[in-house]
Amino acid sequence: KNEVEQSPQNLTAQEGEFITINCSYSVGISALHWLQQHPGGGIVSLFMLSSGKKKHGRLIATINIQEKHSSLHITASHPRDSAVYICAVLVKDFGNEKLTFGTGTRLTIIP
Amino acid sequence: NAGVTQTPKFQVLKTGQSMTLQCAQDMNHEYMSWYRQDPGMGLRLIHYSVGAGITDQGEVPNGYNVSRSTTEDFPLRLLSAAPSQTSVYFCASSRTGGSDYGYTFGSGTRLTVV
Repeated sequence: KNEVEQSPQNLTAQEGEFITINCSYSVGISALHWLQQHPGGGIVSLFMLSSGKKKHGRLIATINIQEKHSSLHITASHPRDSAVYICAVLVKDFGNEKLTFGTGTRLTIIP
Repeated sequence: NAGVTQTPKFQVLKTGQSMTLQCAQDMNHEYMSWYRQDPGMGLRLIHYSVGAGITDQGEVPNGYNVSRSTTEDFPLRLLSAAPSQTSVYFCASSRTGGSDYGYTFGSGTRLTVV
């Protein structure tokens, strides 16, 4: 079983819909990252959070440390939001911290 | 623009050939790391470095070597390429690698070994 599980694996929605992508993890973490990967492959960091909630434009990320769960929300979705969204957790390993990644959620927004 | 620069973007190798994937950052980040991304799997850590002169193995280090002679550069060497090393490779850096700073990723190198 992966340490980081994302759901859904694929999500297709109409433009304007509210989007939720979920991430569950099974280990103790220092922080959680949400990343965006567009076709063409580059990876951009959206959020890093260790508690509570962060907002940037139409994107909102929340984390519940006790439940080992995080969500990424997109309000008023747009076709340019189409991408793969990756959850990654920062885990302490023999004194160093390392990222462990989920397999990603492929989001397609239809105009 | 400041960031992480990876070269080349694409490469085709024959089995047994060697090559070096370059990674450079100009943000004075201490932590640098290499990942590979394969279909259906999350990115996996190959090697990482917490500062110049210090490197360590990640989850999938076999077949790869690294060195960190300067803060800016962290090259990844394939000594004898194998088809199993066909993948997309990402380099990333962070000020410390810890929970106080985010990560910056390069644009990736798509490697095919035939």
